[in-house]
Amino acid sequence: AQSVSQHNHHVILSEAASLELGCNYSYGGTVNLFWYVQYPGQHLQLLHKYLSGDPLVKGIKGFEAEFIKSKFSFNLRKPSVQWSDTAEYFCAVGSGNTGKLIFGQGTTLQVKP
Amino acid sequence: GAGVSQSPSNKVTEKGKDVELRCDPISGHTALYWYRQSLGQGLEFLIYFQGNSAPDKSGLPSDRFSAERTGGSVSTLTIQRTQQEDSAVYLCASSLERGNNSPLHFGNGTRLTVT
Repeated sequence: AQSVSQHNHHVILSEAASLELGCNYSYGGTVNLFWYVQYPGQHLQLLHKYLSGDPLVKGIKGFEAEFIKSKFSFNLRKPSVQWSDTAEYFCAVGSGNTGKLIFGQGTTLQVKP
Repeated sequence: GAGVSQSPSNKVTEKGKDVELRCDPISGHTALYWYRQSLGQGLEFLIYFQGNSAPDKSGLPSDRFSAERTGGSVSTLTIQRTQQEDSAVYLCASSLERGNNSPLHFGNGTRLTVT
């Protein structure tokens, strides 16, 4: 069965600090990997996804995520966090057929101004 | 356009009562998912609909839980004889089509408290 493990449950950083949130998954087949974010008072929204191709996914709000197949990992990184990055971050894995995702427990990120 | 809408946003019920939670997906989205988020837990998958059928109901925790979808649109999650451990935020998501190429769009959830 698929499972997802997020290393940190609660992270507190000061603005401009670097961030790395760990995510490991357990699944033997081809996987699709996701990071979702929930800002305070808002609904969950997609931050990053890896379906195929370049294992380093860049883009939204300065975040990047790297898929390392040999380590079964999909870590999320940002070189310099902002107060507005305060949110809960969820890593998820899907097997592609149904769209069903298995989520990790989530990491609460608190950025101090 | 409008996002996924869930109602009620909050529900307090007494143990043993039945509750119905409603989800209005984004218009045209064929796939619909229900998840549950308990305190300190991640999102727990409950059930998935493709159109009106539910090919995967493997996450429903007990036979007190059921869900239906009508007209390929609105879905209702019903919990019978609620227990305190049912207290959680119930999230609904929809996507344009099944498969991971279509991202999930989540609603704001229904916070259920069983007293």
